[in-house]
Amino acid sequence: EVQLVESGGGLVQPGGSLRLSCAASGFTFSNFDMSWVRQAPGKGLQWVSLISNSGSSTYYGDSVKGRFTISRDKSKNTLYLQMDSLTVDDTAVYYCAKRRDYYHGQTIDYWGQGTLVTVSS
Amino acid sequence: DIQMTQSPSSVSASVGDRVTITCRASQGISTRLAWYQQKPGKAPNLLIYDASSLESGVPSRFSGSGSGTDFTLTISSLQPEDSATYYCQQTHVFPLTFGGGAQVEI
Repeated sequence: EVQLVESGGGLVQPGGSLRLSCAASGFTFSNFDMSWVRQAPGKGLQWVSLISNSGSSTYYGDSVKGRFTISRDKSKNTLYLQMDSLTVDDTAVYYCAKRRDYYHGQTIDYWGQGTLVTVSS
Repeated sequence: DIQMTQSPSSVSASVGDRVTITCRASQGISTRLAWYQQKPGKAPNLLIYDASSLESGVPSRFSGSGSGTDFTLTISSLQPEDSATYYCQQTHVFPLTFGGGAQVEI
């Protein structure tokens, strides 16, 4: 059974940093691209970042480019999101997400339960 | 960036009704479109990928169609458990983008 378990969320002041983690199990982690998707309170879904299965390629949404860094550790089956220079607009539930396969675009087939990041003074 | 526009943003219907949600992309995305269902407090759940392929385990009352810029999600006979918000997502190019969501109330 595929499981994605996020951790690391919490309350942080504007300008601060936070690192999210996502522990993956139930599939061969190194074979799949992984994403972070966020959802501000009461709002819709917003894709944040993606890292390729090998870790050699990364992609970011415009709103986080230059501030967030996605990475992965295949020895630990863990996905990370380093978030720097946080603003109140980064307040959201952050979901870790797995790409379905290489044949159907960047479709997400599994999501974690999410971790809440609150940026406030 | 490709903008995804969903309509309507909310719909109220009765059990057994046929419900259709549309999603329009600001530029062509072939059939690289996915639909997700999200219930309050829960993570999204994949329903449809590649515009019309039903994900394993998803009830057959859900169906998708379209290509290029115009897509639809249809629930053929609405059930109480279908009360949720539905999102489309273009899976074609970066940055990946979602529609604003369509809330289905029963």
